[in-house]
Amino acid sequence: DSGVTQTPKHLITATGQRVTLRCSPRSGDLSVYWYQQSLDQGLQFLIQYYNGEERAKGNILERFSAQQFPDLHSELNLSSLELGDSALYFCASSPWERDTGELFFGEGSRLTVL
Amino acid sequence: QKEVEQDPGPLSVPEGAIVSLNCTYSNSAFQYFMWYRQYSRKGPELLMYTYSSGNKEDGRFTAQVDKSSKYISLFIRDSQPSDSATYLCAMSDAGGGNKLTFGTGTQLKVEL
Repeated sequence: DSGVTQTPKHLITATGQRVTLRCSPRSGDLSVYWYQQSLDQGLQFLIQYYNGEERAKGNILERFSAQQFPDLHSELNLSSLELGDSALYFCASSPWERDTGELFFGEGSRLTVL
Repeated sequence: QKEVEQDPGPLSVPEGAIVSLNCTYSNSAFQYFMWYRQYSRKGPELLMYTYSSGNKEDGRFTAQVDKSSKYISLFIRDSQPSDSATYLCAMSDAGGGNKLTFGTGTQLKVEL
């Protein structure tokens, strides 16, 4: 158990809908990362927050947004969903803002868009 | 072309075999190299971490980095059925922090 908790584990929804994925980082970790894992693209970095502030952005679509709250949990909001958004969404945490060490991943939220 | 290329496998080996997993990359700015292991229906977990070129050994696992060839390897000695998983290489540049670029993963099955 990495200590990173993600909910929900599975989510099935329809095109055009909006969903929110939630992540609680390991106790004491200030950085939260969101990654998308699809069969053809592998793990893709979406966005990083550190202590409530956005720190780095990857290839995150404009339809997607995220935030980190004062209690350090984070939410990833996906709107106007398309079939291609079906994927595993992972949250990861680490203690620091900029380090090149270990990321602790949650077990992921599997999103299916029908 | 992807920044990081990794053979997806699947790779099937008998128990006790030596396994070699590899990644190539194109971005010469990458300096930090990692191998993550991902079991089915689980999140990735860090297995090995290497800075710049060289070798690093941890038990049955050895990571090698050849920056001149833009090639990294993970060797697993005396492979066990419990090593059956997907192995993901990951890398970042000096300014990238934990904004990791991952390979697509190699699926390994170690058979009894």
